[in-house]
Amino acid sequence: EVQLLESGGGLVQPGGSLRLSCAASGFTFSSYVMSWVRQAPGRGLEWVSSITESGGTTYYADSVKGRFTMSRDNSRNTLDLQMISLRAEDTSVYYCATVLYNSGLGYWGQGALVAVSS
Amino acid sequence: QPVLTQSSSASASLGSSVKLTCTLSSGHSNYIIAWHQQQPGKAPRYLMKVESSGNYNKGSGVPDRFSGSSSGADRYLTISKLQSEDEADYYCETWDSKTRVFGGGTKVTVL
Repeated sequence: EVQLLESGGGLVQPGGSLRLSCAASGFTFSSYVMSWVRQAPGRGLEWVSSITESGGTTYYADSVKGRFTMSRDNSRNTLDLQMISLRAEDTSVYYCATVLYNSGLGYWGQGALVAVSS
Repeated sequence: QPVLTQSSSASASLGSSVKLTCTLSSGHSNYIIAWHQQQPGKAPRYLMKVESSGNYNKGSGVPDRFSGSSSGADRYLTISKLQSEDEADYYCETWDSKTRVFGGGTKVTVL
Protein backbone atom coordinates (compact mmCIF):
# COMPACT_ATOMS: atom_id res chain seq x y z
CA GLU A 1 0.00 0.00 0.00
CA VAL A 2 1.34 3.41 -0.99
CA GLN A 3 1.84 5.69 2.00
CA LEU A 4 3.03 9.27 2.11
CA LEU A 5 3.45 10.84 5.54
CA GLU A 6 4.24 14.53 5.86
CA SER A 7 5.83 16.01 8.96
CA GLY A 8 7.43 19.24 10.14
CA GLY A 9 4.48 21.58 9.94
CA GLY A 10 3.78 24.19 12.58
CA LEU A 11 3.49 27.87 13.46
CA VAL A 12 6.25 30.19 12.27
CA GLN A 13 6.65 33.95 12.28
CA PRO A 14 6.75 35.96 9.04
CA GLY A 15 10.25 35.87 7.65
CA GLY A 16 10.98 32.60 9.37
CA SER A 17 11.93 29.18 8.03
CA LEU A 18 10.49 25.69 8.18
CA ARG A 19 11.38 22.32 6.71
CA LEU A 20 8.72 19.83 5.70
CA SER A 21 9.45 16.16 5.16
CA CYS A 22 7.51 13.40 3.44
CA ALA A 23 8.23 9.75 4.21
CA ALA A 24 7.26 7.40 1.38
CA SER A 25 6.59 3.67 1.50
CA GLY A 26 4.83 0.95 -0.44
CA PHE A 27 6.31 1.77 -3.85
CA THR A 28 9.66 2.22 -5.58
CA PHE A 29 10.23 5.80 -4.52
CA SER A 30 13.22 6.40 -6.78
CA SER A 31 11.13 5.64 -9.88
CA TYR A 32 8.68 8.50 -9.41
CA VAL A 33 8.64 12.22 -9.96
CA MET A 34 7.27 13.81 -6.78
CA SER A 35 5.44 17.05 -6.12
CA TRP A 36 4.33 19.34 -3.34
CA VAL A 37 0.87 20.92 -3.51
CA ARG A 38 -0.62 23.34 -1.02
CA GLN A 39 -4.08 24.48 -0.03
CA ALA A 40 -4.75 27.73 1.82
CA PRO A 41 -7.65 27.67 4.29
CA GLY A 42 -10.93 27.54 2.39
CA ARG A 43 -9.17 27.75 -0.97
CA GLY A 44 -8.32 25.47 -3.85
CA LEU A 45 -5.23 23.42 -4.66
CA GLU A 46 -2.03 25.14 -5.75
CA TRP A 47 0.98 23.30 -7.19
CA VAL A 48 4.18 24.32 -5.40
CA SER A 49 7.09 22.27 -6.78
CA SER A 50 8.20 19.05 -8.45
CA ILE A 51 11.39 17.03 -8.50
CA THR A 52 12.60 14.44 -10.99
CA GLU A 53 13.26 10.83 -10.08
CA SER A 54 16.99 11.32 -9.50
CA GLY A 55 16.52 14.68 -7.79
CA GLY A 56 18.63 16.34 -10.44
CA THR A 57 15.98 18.79 -11.61
CA THR A 58 13.42 20.79 -9.69
CA TYR A 59 10.58 23.06 -10.75
CA TYR A 60 8.80 25.72 -8.73
CA ALA A 61 5.72 27.87 -8.89
CA ASP A 62 6.53 31.56 -9.35
CA SER A 63 4.97 32.26 -5.94
CA VAL A 64 7.70 30.29 -4.12
CA LYS A 65 10.66 30.47 -6.49
CA GLY A 66 13.80 31.59 -4.70
CA ARG A 67 12.31 30.90 -1.27
CA PHE A 68 11.49 27.19 -1.35
CA THR A 69 13.88 24.33 -2.11
CA MET A 70 12.70 20.81 -2.83
CA SER A 71 15.01 17.82 -2.41
CA ARG A 72 14.86 14.06 -2.05
CA ASP A 73 16.89 11.21 -0.58
CA ASN A 74 16.22 8.05 -2.54
CA SER A 75 18.25 5.96 -0.08
CA ARG A 76 15.87 6.93 2.72
CA ASN A 77 12.69 7.31 0.64
CA THR A 78 12.17 10.84 1.83
CA LEU A 79 11.19 14.13 0.26
CA ASP A 80 11.92 17.55 1.78
CA LEU A 81 10.69 21.08 1.26
CA GLN A 82 12.87 23.77 2.78
CA MET A 83 10.94 27.03 3.13
CA ILE A 84 12.55 30.37 3.97
CA SER A 85 11.35 33.98 4.08
CA LEU A 86 7.88 32.72 4.87
CA ARG A 87 4.92 35.03 4.36
CA ALA A 88 1.37 35.05 5.70
CA GLU A 89 0.16 33.95 2.28
CA ASP A 90 2.20 30.76 2.58
CA THR A 91 -0.19 29.58 5.29
CA SER A 92 -1.60 26.33 3.92
CA VAL A 93 -1.85 22.61 4.28
CA TYR A 94 1.06 21.17 2.31
CA TYR A 95 0.64 17.80 0.58
CA CYS A 96 3.30 15.62 -0.98
CA ALA A 97 2.16 13.54 -3.94
CA THR A 98 3.44 11.05 -6.47
CA VAL A 99 3.36 11.92 -10.14
CA LEU A 100 2.07 9.07 -12.27
CA TYR A 101 3.55 9.14 -15.75
CA ASN A 102 1.23 11.17 -17.99
CA SER A 103 -1.64 10.59 -15.57
CA GLY A 104 -1.60 13.22 -12.84
CA LEU A 105 -0.89 13.16 -9.13
CA GLY A 106 -1.70 9.58 -8.25
CA TYR A 107 -1.20 9.35 -4.50
CA TRP A 108 -1.44 12.05 -1.84
CA GLY A 109 -0.23 12.32 1.72
CA GLN A 110 -2.51 13.44 4.53
CA GLY A 111 -0.99 16.93 4.62
CA ALA A 112 0.96 19.12 7.02
CA LEU A 113 -0.31 22.49 8.23
CA VAL A 114 2.02 25.47 8.00
CA ALA A 115 0.78 28.64 9.68
CA VAL A 116 2.71 31.87 9.21
CA SER A 117 1.69 34.45 11.76
CA SER A 118 3.15 36.81 14.34
CA GLN B 1 1.00 27.32 -19.60
CA PRO B 2 -2.54 25.90 -19.64
CA VAL B 3 -5.39 27.28 -17.56
CA LEU B 4 -8.28 25.13 -16.31
CA THR B 5 -11.77 26.50 -15.72
CA GLN B 6 -14.39 24.80 -13.54
CA SER B 7 -17.83 25.86 -12.36
CA SER B 8 -17.76 26.67 -8.67
CA SER B 9 -20.68 24.50 -7.68
CA ALA B 10 -23.08 21.78 -8.78
CA SER B 11 -25.88 19.92 -7.10
CA ALA B 12 -28.02 16.88 -7.80
CA SER B 13 -30.37 14.58 -5.94
CA LEU B 14 -29.38 11.41 -4.18
CA GLY B 15 -29.36 8.56 -6.69
CA SER B 16 -29.22 10.83 -9.74
CA SER B 17 -26.25 11.83 -11.91
CA VAL B 18 -24.10 14.92 -12.17
CA LYS B 19 -21.65 15.90 -14.91
CA LEU B 20 -18.77 18.22 -14.06
CA THR B 21 -16.84 20.18 -16.67
CA CYS B 22 -13.21 21.24 -16.81
CA THR B 23 -12.31 23.50 -19.72
CA LEU B 24 -8.79 23.84 -21.06
CA SER B 25 -7.55 27.21 -22.25
CA SER B 26 -7.04 28.06 -25.91
CA GLY B 27 -4.15 26.21 -27.51
CA HIS B 28 -4.26 23.41 -24.96
CA SER B 29 -7.31 21.49 -26.06
CA ASN B 30 -5.37 18.25 -26.57
CA TYR B 31 -4.03 18.07 -23.01
CA ILE B 32 -4.69 15.17 -20.70
CA ILE B 33 -6.29 16.09 -17.41
CA ALA B 34 -6.76 14.29 -14.11
CA TRP B 35 -9.72 14.48 -11.73
CA HIS B 36 -9.34 14.50 -7.96
CA GLN B 37 -11.94 14.27 -5.21
CA GLN B 38 -11.53 16.00 -1.88
CA GLN B 39 -14.08 15.11 0.78
CA PRO B 40 -14.52 17.57 3.66
CA GLY B 41 -11.52 17.60 5.97
CA LYS B 42 -9.60 15.02 3.95
CA ALA B 43 -6.68 14.97 1.55
CA PRO B 44 -7.40 14.87 -2.18
CA ARG B 45 -7.82 11.49 -3.83
CA TYR B 46 -6.96 10.66 -7.44
CA LEU B 47 -9.98 9.55 -9.47
CA MET B 48 -8.87 9.24 -13.09
CA LYS B 49 -7.16 10.71 -16.07
CA VAL B 50 -9.12 11.79 -19.16
CA GLU B 51 -7.55 12.09 -22.60
CA SER B 52 -8.68 14.29 -25.48
CA SER B 53 -9.97 11.18 -27.22
CA GLY B 54 -12.39 10.61 -24.36
CA ASN B 55 -10.53 7.60 -23.07
CA TYR B 56 -10.22 7.55 -19.34
CA ASN B 57 -8.30 5.44 -16.79
CA LYS B 58 -9.43 5.29 -13.20
CA GLY B 59 -7.31 4.94 -10.11
CA SER B 60 -7.47 1.83 -8.00
CA GLY B 61 -10.61 1.46 -5.94
CA VAL B 62 -12.58 4.17 -7.74
CA PRO B 63 -16.20 3.02 -8.02
CA ASP B 64 -17.77 2.25 -11.38
CA ARG B 65 -20.17 5.14 -10.79
CA PHE B 66 -17.38 7.51 -11.80
CA SER B 67 -16.61 7.96 -15.48
CA GLY B 68 -14.83 10.41 -17.74
CA SER B 69 -15.33 11.81 -21.23
CA SER B 70 -14.14 14.61 -23.47
CA SER B 71 -15.31 17.01 -26.16
CA GLY B 72 -12.97 19.56 -27.70
CA ALA B 73 -11.37 21.54 -24.88
CA ASP B 74 -13.81 20.19 -22.31
CA ARG B 75 -13.12 17.28 -20.03
CA TYR B 76 -15.93 15.76 -18.04
CA LEU B 77 -16.42 13.80 -14.86
CA THR B 78 -19.78 12.07 -14.53
CA ILE B 79 -20.92 10.66 -11.22
CA SER B 80 -23.89 8.30 -11.53
CA LYS B 81 -26.16 7.03 -8.75
CA LEU B 82 -25.04 9.83 -6.47
CA GLN B 83 -24.39 8.86 -2.88
CA SER B 84 -24.01 11.06 0.17
CA GLU B 85 -20.27 10.40 0.31
CA ASP B 86 -19.90 11.94 -3.15
CA GLU B 87 -20.52 15.35 -1.61
CA ALA B 88 -17.04 16.83 -2.01
CA ASP B 89 -14.88 19.24 -3.94
CA TYR B 90 -13.66 18.03 -7.32
CA TYR B 91 -10.53 19.41 -8.94
CA CYS B 92 -9.11 18.93 -12.39
CA GLU B 93 -5.37 19.01 -12.96
CA THR B 94 -3.11 19.23 -15.97
CA TRP B 95 0.59 19.64 -16.58
CA ASP B 96 3.30 20.52 -19.02
CA SER B 97 7.02 19.80 -18.93
CA LYS B 98 7.71 22.12 -16.01
CA THR B 99 4.50 22.99 -14.18
CA ARG B 100 1.25 21.57 -12.92
CA VAL B 101 -2.04 23.45 -12.87
CA PHE B 102 -5.31 22.96 -11.04
CA GLY B 103 -8.77 24.22 -11.80
CA GLY B 104 -10.55 26.22 -9.13
CA GLY B 105 -12.62 23.24 -8.06
CA THR B 106 -16.32 22.37 -8.16
CA LYS B 107 -18.24 21.83 -4.95
CA VAL B 108 -20.79 19.07 -5.40
CA THR B 109 -23.81 19.06 -3.12
CA VAL B 110 -26.01 15.98 -2.86
CA LEU B 111 -29.61 17.04 -2.27
